[in-house]
Amino acid sequence: DAGITQSPRHKVTETGTPVTLRCHQTENHRYMYWYRQDPGHGLRLIHYSYGVKDTDKGEVSDGYSVSRSKTEDFLLTLESATSSQTSVYFCAIRGGDGNSPLHFGNGTRLTVT
Amino acid sequence: GIQVEQSPPDLILQEGANSTLRCNFSDSVNNLQWFHQNPWGQLINLFYIPSGTKQNGRLSATTVATERYSLLYISSSQTTDSGVYFCAVEAFSGGSNYKLTFGKGTLLTVNP
Repeated sequence: DAGITQSPRHKVTETGTPVTLRCHQTENHRYMYWYRQDPGHGLRLIHYSYGVKDTDKGEVSDGYSVSRSKTEDFLLTLESATSSQTSVYFCAIRGGDGNSPLHFGNGTRLTVT
Repeated sequence: GIQVEQSPPDLILQEGANSTLRCNFSDSVNNLQWFHQNPWGQLINLFYIPSGTKQNGRLSATTVATERYSLLYISSSQTTDSGVYFCAVEAFSGGSNYKLTFGKGTLLTVNP
Protein backbone atom coordinates (compact mmCIF):
# COMPACT_ATOMS: atom_id res chain seq x y z
CA ASP A 1 0.00 0.00 0.00
CA ALA A 2 1.12 3.51 -0.80
CA GLY A 3 2.19 5.34 2.35
CA ILE A 4 -0.53 7.98 2.55
CA THR A 5 -2.08 9.15 5.80
CA GLN A 6 -4.99 11.56 6.01
CA SER A 7 -5.95 13.32 9.21
CA PRO A 8 -8.38 13.64 10.76
CA ARG A 9 -10.44 10.70 9.50
CA HIS A 10 -13.68 12.27 10.65
CA LYS A 11 -14.57 15.83 11.57
CA VAL A 12 -17.74 17.69 12.42
CA THR A 13 -17.56 21.47 12.37
CA GLU A 14 -19.88 24.44 12.34
CA THR A 15 -20.61 26.75 9.44
CA GLY A 16 -18.17 29.63 9.28
CA THR A 17 -15.28 27.94 11.09
CA PRO A 18 -11.90 27.31 9.45
CA VAL A 19 -10.90 23.70 8.83
CA THR A 20 -7.57 22.19 7.76
CA LEU A 21 -7.17 18.67 6.46
CA ARG A 22 -3.75 17.09 6.27
CA CYS A 23 -2.27 14.60 3.85
CA HIS A 24 1.07 13.03 4.67
CA GLN A 25 3.02 10.73 2.34
CA THR A 26 6.12 8.65 2.89
CA GLU A 27 6.75 7.85 -0.80
CA ASN A 28 8.61 11.05 -1.70
CA HIS A 29 6.27 11.49 -4.68
CA ARG A 30 6.21 14.79 -6.51
CA TYR A 31 2.49 15.00 -7.27
CA MET A 32 -0.23 15.30 -4.63
CA TYR A 33 -3.96 15.88 -5.12
CA TRP A 34 -7.10 16.70 -3.16
CA TYR A 35 -10.41 15.31 -4.42
CA ARG A 36 -13.89 15.47 -2.99
CA GLN A 37 -16.46 12.75 -3.44
CA ASP A 38 -20.18 13.44 -3.41
CA PRO A 39 -23.16 11.26 -4.40
CA GLY A 40 -23.95 11.70 -8.07
CA HIS A 41 -20.71 13.54 -8.81
CA GLY A 42 -18.01 10.94 -8.48
CA LEU A 43 -14.57 12.31 -7.64
CA ARG A 44 -13.80 15.93 -8.44
CA LEU A 45 -10.40 17.58 -8.27
CA ILE A 46 -10.07 20.50 -5.85
CA HIS A 47 -6.36 21.39 -6.03
CA TYR A 48 -3.14 19.65 -6.82
CA SER A 49 0.57 20.14 -6.28
CA TYR A 50 3.47 19.31 -8.57
CA GLY A 51 6.21 20.18 -6.11
CA VAL A 52 7.02 22.09 -2.94
CA LYS A 53 5.22 25.46 -3.10
CA ASP A 54 3.88 24.58 -6.58
CA THR A 55 0.10 24.22 -6.69
CA ASP A 56 -2.72 24.66 -9.14
CA LYS A 57 -6.50 24.69 -9.14
CA GLY A 58 -8.81 21.88 -10.07
CA GLU A 59 -12.42 21.99 -11.22
CA VAL A 60 -14.00 22.78 -7.81
CA SER A 61 -11.44 25.02 -6.10
CA ASP A 62 -13.72 27.84 -4.91
CA GLY A 63 -13.72 28.08 -1.11
CA TYR A 64 -10.55 26.00 -0.73
CA SER A 65 -6.88 26.80 -0.44
CA VAL A 66 -3.84 24.52 -0.24
CA SER A 67 -0.27 24.66 0.88
CA ARG A 68 2.76 22.44 0.43
CA SER A 69 5.83 23.51 2.36
CA LYS A 70 7.39 20.04 2.42
CA THR A 71 7.37 17.18 -0.09
CA GLU A 72 5.56 14.91 2.33
CA ASP A 73 2.71 17.20 3.43
CA PHE A 74 -0.18 18.71 1.48
CA LEU A 75 -2.74 20.73 3.44
CA LEU A 76 -6.27 21.58 2.37
CA THR A 77 -7.91 24.54 4.12
CA LEU A 78 -11.53 25.60 4.15
CA GLU A 79 -11.26 29.22 5.26
CA SER A 80 -14.92 29.46 6.29
CA ALA A 81 -16.71 26.14 6.05
CA THR A 82 -20.16 25.95 4.46
CA SER A 83 -22.72 23.14 4.43
CA SER A 84 -22.01 22.59 0.71
CA GLN A 85 -18.50 21.50 1.70
CA THR A 86 -19.85 18.52 3.60
CA SER A 87 -18.18 15.68 1.73
CA VAL A 88 -15.60 12.94 1.80
CA TYR A 89 -12.15 14.29 0.95
CA PHE A 90 -9.48 12.10 -0.59
CA CYS A 91 -5.80 12.80 -0.95
CA ALA A 92 -3.90 11.07 -3.74
CA ILE A 93 -0.28 10.86 -4.87
CA ARG A 94 1.61 10.03 -8.06
CA GLY A 95 5.25 9.42 -8.57
CA GLY A 96 7.71 9.76 -11.39
CA ASP A 97 7.03 12.46 -13.94
CA GLY A 98 3.29 12.40 -13.20
CA ASN A 99 2.32 9.97 -15.93
CA SER A 100 2.00 7.08 -13.48
CA PRO A 101 -0.61 5.29 -11.35
CA LEU A 102 -2.57 7.38 -8.85
CA HIS A 103 -2.86 6.10 -5.27
CA PHE A 104 -5.37 7.29 -2.70
CA GLY A 105 -5.43 7.79 1.02
CA ASN A 106 -8.33 6.47 3.09
CA GLY A 107 -10.30 9.70 3.07
CA THR A 108 -11.60 12.27 5.56
CA ARG A 109 -15.33 12.54 6.19
CA LEU A 110 -16.18 16.18 6.89
CA THR A 111 -19.59 17.30 8.11
CA VAL A 112 -20.40 21.00 8.28
CA THR A 113 -23.47 21.74 10.42
CA GLY B 1 -12.92 19.65 -20.52
CA ILE B 2 -12.87 15.98 -21.31
CA GLN B 3 -16.06 14.02 -20.60
CA VAL B 4 -16.06 10.50 -19.16
CA GLU B 5 -19.11 8.26 -19.28
CA GLN B 6 -19.34 4.90 -17.58
CA SER B 7 -21.89 2.19 -18.18
CA PRO B 8 -23.88 0.61 -16.79
CA PRO B 9 -24.44 2.84 -13.75
CA ASP B 10 -25.55 -0.16 -11.69
CA LEU B 11 -25.00 -3.88 -12.08
CA ILE B 12 -26.17 -6.81 -9.96
CA LEU B 13 -24.58 -10.24 -10.41
CA GLN B 14 -24.70 -13.66 -8.87
CA GLU B 15 -21.42 -14.97 -7.59
CA GLY B 16 -19.53 -16.72 -10.37
CA ALA B 17 -20.91 -14.61 -13.21
CA ASN B 18 -18.79 -12.57 -15.61
CA SER B 19 -19.25 -8.89 -16.37
CA THR B 20 -17.99 -6.10 -18.59
CA LEU B 21 -17.86 -2.45 -17.54
CA ARG B 22 -17.39 0.26 -20.13
CA CYS B 23 -15.76 3.68 -20.08
CA ASN B 24 -16.22 6.12 -22.97
CA PHE B 25 -14.33 9.39 -23.21
CA SER B 26 -14.81 12.42 -25.38
CA ASP B 27 -11.28 13.26 -26.50
CA SER B 28 -7.86 11.78 -27.08
CA VAL B 29 -6.17 10.74 -23.86
CA ASN B 30 -2.66 9.77 -22.91
CA ASN B 31 -3.56 8.08 -19.65
CA LEU B 32 -6.44 5.92 -18.42
CA GLN B 33 -6.79 4.23 -15.05
CA TRP B 34 -9.38 1.98 -13.41
CA PHE B 35 -10.13 2.07 -9.68
CA HIS B 36 -12.23 0.02 -7.29
CA GLN B 37 -13.87 1.62 -4.27
CA ASN B 38 -14.81 -1.06 -1.76
CA PRO B 39 -17.85 -0.83 0.54
CA TRP B 40 -15.62 0.68 3.24
CA GLY B 41 -14.70 3.56 0.97
CA GLN B 42 -11.12 2.64 0.11
CA LEU B 43 -10.02 3.46 -3.44
CA ILE B 44 -7.64 0.97 -5.03
CA ASN B 45 -5.86 1.42 -8.33
CA LEU B 46 -6.60 -1.62 -10.51
CA PHE B 47 -5.00 -0.74 -13.82
CA TYR B 48 -2.88 1.92 -15.43
CA ILE B 49 -3.77 1.29 -19.07
CA PRO B 50 -3.49 4.11 -21.63
CA SER B 51 -3.69 1.51 -24.41
CA GLY B 52 -3.69 -2.24 -25.00
CA THR B 53 -4.70 -5.02 -22.66
CA LYS B 54 -3.61 -5.97 -19.16
CA GLN B 55 -4.63 -8.77 -16.85
CA ASN B 56 -4.47 -9.13 -13.09
CA GLY B 57 -5.98 -12.37 -11.84
CA ARG B 58 -9.70 -12.45 -12.59
CA LEU B 59 -9.65 -8.86 -13.80
CA SER B 60 -8.53 -7.60 -17.15
CA ALA B 61 -8.78 -4.30 -18.97
CA THR B 62 -8.57 -3.19 -22.56
CA THR B 63 -8.23 0.36 -23.84
CA VAL B 64 -8.80 1.25 -27.48
CA ALA B 65 -7.55 4.81 -27.47
CA THR B 66 -8.29 5.45 -31.14
CA GLU B 67 -11.98 4.64 -30.55
CA ARG B 68 -12.08 6.39 -27.17
CA TYR B 69 -13.20 3.61 -24.88
CA SER B 70 -11.95 1.18 -22.31
CA LEU B 71 -13.45 -2.05 -20.96
CA LEU B 72 -12.97 -3.70 -17.59
CA TYR B 73 -13.70 -7.43 -17.47
CA ILE B 74 -14.46 -9.26 -14.24
CA SER B 75 -14.58 -13.03 -14.51
CA SER B 76 -15.98 -15.49 -11.95
CA SER B 77 -17.14 -12.63 -9.77
CA GLN B 78 -16.92 -12.86 -5.99
CA THR B 79 -18.76 -10.96 -3.27
CA THR B 80 -15.51 -9.12 -2.53
CA ASP B 81 -15.72 -7.58 -6.02
CA SER B 82 -18.69 -5.50 -4.88
CA GLY B 83 -18.24 -1.76 -4.81
CA VAL B 84 -17.91 1.11 -7.25
CA TYR B 85 -15.60 0.95 -10.25
CA PHE B 86 -14.26 4.23 -11.54
CA CYS B 87 -12.57 5.04 -14.79
CA ALA B 88 -10.32 8.10 -14.93
CA VAL B 89 -8.66 9.70 -17.95
CA GLU B 90 -6.09 12.37 -18.63
CA ALA B 91 -5.45 14.53 -21.65
CA PHE B 92 -2.01 15.85 -20.84
CA SER B 93 -1.62 19.46 -21.93
CA GLY B 94 2.04 20.03 -21.12
CA GLY B 95 4.20 21.29 -18.27
CA SER B 96 3.20 19.79 -14.94
CA ASN B 97 -0.45 19.55 -15.84
CA TYR B 98 -1.10 15.93 -14.87
CA LYS B 99 -4.76 15.79 -13.81
CA LEU B 100 -7.14 12.85 -14.01
CA THR B 101 -10.85 13.32 -14.71
CA PHE B 102 -13.14 10.68 -13.22
CA GLY B 103 -16.33 9.14 -14.48
CA LYS B 104 -19.26 8.75 -12.11
CA GLY B 105 -18.66 5.06 -11.65
CA THR B 106 -20.43 1.72 -11.95
CA LEU B 107 -21.93 0.31 -8.76
CA LEU B 108 -21.42 -3.46 -8.77
CA THR B 109 -23.23 -5.73 -6.35
CA VAL B 110 -22.28 -9.40 -6.29
CA ASN B 111 -24.75 -11.58 -4.42
CA PRO B 112 -23.78 -14.94 -2.88
